[in-house]
Amino acid sequence: QQQVKQSPQSLIVQKGGISIINCAYENTAFDYFPWYQQFPGKGPALLIAIRPDVSEKKEGRFTISFNKSAKQFSLHIMDSQPGDSATYFCAARDTGNQFYFGTGTSLTVIP
Amino acid sequence: DAGVIQSPRHEVTEMGQEVTLRCKPISGHNSLFWYRQTMMRGLELLIYFNNNVPIDDSGMPEDRFSAKMPNASFSTLKIQPSEPRDSAVYFCASTHSGAVGYTFGSGTRLTVV
Repeated sequence: QQQVKQSPQSLIVQKGGISIINCAYENTAFDYFPWYQQFPGKGPALLIAIRPDVSEKKEGRFTISFNKSAKQFSLHIMDSQPGDSATYFCAARDTGNQFYFGTGTSLTVIP
Repeated sequence: DAGVIQSPRHEVTEMGQEVTLRCKPISGHNSLFWYRQTMMRGLELLIYFNNNVPIDDSGMPEDRFSAKMPNASFSTLKIQPSEPRDSAVYFCASTHSGAVGYTFGSGTRLTVV
């Protein structure tokens, strides 16, 4: 059973546009929600993360929006650049410090 | 800090052969995870260790897969015998209590022909 559901599976965005990736979860005990970025041939790397007591977190062009009541969170990439082309994974942490990953979104930013 | 180190980076083997993947976690990290990544199934957790002890191996697909962590600085994932459907990228990740996330290695790309 997939603990964290992620969509879309793939996304194509024009340079300068906004990329939006969505995730949903069921377990209300999850207490930490990171996003990972993975480039081809590399392992996933922590990009940005949010705790459930905050509705939004912004780091540069990357923003996480968190809706606790809906049990949803999303990653927004503003002014998307070709260098942002990668696979993005959302994740959620349980009280045992174990992370559950979404299925990933392949983002392509075209010049 | 050299990060999580995995070896080999690439492995091509014939069906039926034994394959051993290796991982060195970050020093001081007390949890280690083995993941398998495929296009079809994404990132799948195979097994994880806390303080060198296997905690959950429910993700190990079959008895052909086994993992060990003899000490805090080394872990292996073994497949015996290997099959073509085992072809995937295998990642090792480590973390410690209170860390904000996992640190992944660069992965081992396994091809079984």
